[in-house]
Amino acid sequence: GEDVEQSLFLSVREGDSSVINCTYTDSSSTYLYWYKQEPGAGLQLLTYIFSNMDMKQDQRLTVLLNKKDKHLSLRIADTQTGDSAIYFCAEERSYNTDKLIFGTGTRLQVFP
Amino acid sequence: ETGVTQSPTHLIKTRGQQVTLRCSSQSGHNTVSWYQQALGQGPQFIFQYYREEENGRGNFPPRFSGLQFPNYSSELNVNALELDDSALYLCASSLRDSEAFFGQGTRLTVV
Repeated sequence: GEDVEQSLFLSVREGDSSVINCTYTDSSSTYLYWYKQEPGAGLQLLTYIFSNMDMKQDQRLTVLLNKKDKHLSLRIADTQTGDSAIYFCAEERSYNTDKLIFGTGTRLQVFP
Repeated sequence: ETGVTQSPTHLIKTRGQQVTLRCSSQSGHNTVSWYQQALGQGPQFIFQYYREEENGRGNFPPRFSGLQFPNYSSELNVNALELDDSALYLCASSLRDSEAFFGQGTRLTVV
């Protein structure tokens, strides 16, 4: 099927690290993305990783990709209250079009 | 700010009516994709336009149609609205084979 799966909810204390997990389905996906959505807003591109990479770091964000298990994770270091949002992973399947297949989203709640 | 703008931001329509949503892509981007995001779910791909031609379509009925203009802006048209069409409609622009940047969306409510 086309399902990209994510856990629904994550709660962390301010200053701790957050790890949001995602499993995808298509081993031929070329790019994998992380988007952030705040209440009532559109999607903000956070970072992405090419499928031939294992890891990508961008300031507080670290993306890990396990292609064998089709598992993607996003680690947010030093999580802040402003990080509270819904996080979506998405896989891009370029064999027919550049459409993105999104997960159901993980709601991250950061408490003081 | 992604440079992708959508209008209107909100609208309410009656079942059976028709609606047109608009999207201005980021400068220089030639590809526009439309997604539907129902409440509590991830976005679902509707279709994509590349240089004014449809370039792929998701699992949506023909009453969902679109256009892309020479300046690469785009419209999404939905005929014979149904209650289940109530959702946030997102437009994303990109260069072909590069990352997509989303607008803020149009919240459509069908009553």
